[in-house]
Amino acid sequence: GENVEQHPSTLSVQEGDSAVIKCTYSDSASNYFPWYKQELGKRPQLIIDIRSNVGEKKDQRIAVTLNKTAKHFSLHITETQPEDSAVYFCAAQGGSNYKLTFGKGTLLTVNP
Amino acid sequence: EAQVTQNPRYLITVTGKKLTVTCSQNMNHEYMSWYRQDPGLGLRQIYYSMNVEVTDKGDVPEGYKVSRKEKRNFPLILESPSPNQTSLYFCASSLSLAGYNEQFFGPGTRLTVL
Repeated sequence: GENVEQHPSTLSVQEGDSAVIKCTYSDSASNYFPWYKQELGKRPQLIIDIRSNVGEKKDQRIAVTLNKTAKHFSLHITETQPEDSAVYFCAAQGGSNYKLTFGKGTLLTVNP
Repeated sequence: EAQVTQNPRYLITVTGKKLTVTCSQNMNHEYMSWYRQDPGLGLRQIYYSMNVEVTDKGDVPEGYKVSRKEKRNFPLILESPSPNQTSLYFCASSLSLAGYNEQFFGPGTRLTVL
């Protein structure tokens, strides 16, 4: 089955700096890669996603890149703000059963 | 308002006492799923349902049961809870799985088994 590795597990940055979270996946049949943000005590919510026919997608301060050959994708957050502090989960979906597999999460802390 | 609801939100119980966590969505979604979230382990899928009367095991199904008799409801049943089932549980739904659609999560149920 699919295996999604996510790094780092914790990340601390200063407000205004950039943050990058990286994920790798094992199943070359995966072709959908969403990112979810979970604020403390809240439910995970989709913030951005990318499909395998696209190499990069941007939405204001967040962007996701995908390298299908290397089987890795990354989340980039620029000009970080304290409200970006949360746990971020990457996920990969695809294959014959369309299963969605999550990474273990990254706790991002943005220090004012 | 389009949403996924779960009840109860918090539950403390004892080993062996059967319990049910309800999940309901009002978006006419075909796909529903249960996850458990534990520190350092992320979101692990317990069971999922592609549609009414169609359910299948996820990655950690042992000790859990589900049913999907109606499209909107997907209850999670713990027949004989044990302390290792203490966790934060999330129900999620999406329009369908094949369309690679966003999953909408419920608010979570924090379960403690003593």
